[in-house]
Amino acid sequence: DQQVKQNSPSLSVQEGRISILNCDYTNSMFDYFLWYKKYPAEGPTFLISISSIKDKNEDGRFTVFLNKSAKHLSLHIVPSQPGDSAVYFCAASAAGTASKLTFGTGTRLQVTL
Amino acid sequence: EPEVTQTPSHQVTQMGQEVILRCVPISNHLYFYWYRQILGQKVEFLVSFYNNEISEKSEIFDDQFSVERPDGSNFTLKIRSTKLEDSAMYFCASSAPQGRSYEQYFGPGTRLTVT
Repeated sequence: DQQVKQNSPSLSVQEGRISILNCDYTNSMFDYFLWYKKYPAEGPTFLISISSIKDKNEDGRFTVFLNKSAKHLSLHIVPSQPGDSAVYFCAASAAGTASKLTFGTGTRLQVTL
Repeated sequence: EPEVTQTPSHQVTQMGQEVILRCVPISNHLYFYWYRQILGQKVEFLVSFYNNEISEKSEIFDDQFSVERPDGSNFTLKIRSTKLEDSAMYFCASSAPQGRSYEQYFGPGTRLTVT
């Protein structure tokens, strides 16, 4: 059951450059999407979210883009910083209040100096 | 800043034993969740809880699992008879849906090791 897929297990980016993390989904019922950041031995930390009624949401250095027709979303981090090095999970929720989150497998981002 | 807390951080138990994992959600949140992550795999939903009852549960959440909100602050996950395959990180999360904002906030997790 791979309703949410992150096809790149890892990504390496130089400090100051843009990091682009991708996520694809298959379930048309998903209408809310979230990105979480996770450090080892810690819980996922909420970063940014987007509703299916929008195609873009920005919060500081983080922007999420949603392409509903392609069932694709991406997280852009500009500029990337060494502290951004972590595993990033895409998650999706179907219509309804407080529905369960379905997570992707994660992308490990390494920001190098 | 309010946060979700979980205890213990690490629990080692023998197969067949009962374990209780504890969580204190963010105080004004209304919805509570348990997820788990087996080493090297993705985070998986176990159960959601609202208004003192289970809202939704996954196939993983069988009769060996139960949840409870024994008082106004704690939220617990009980595994009655642990199996080796229950070894995982267990994360508690909470949310307070307002409008269309459904962000869930996670605790640091409890690492459960079943031997």
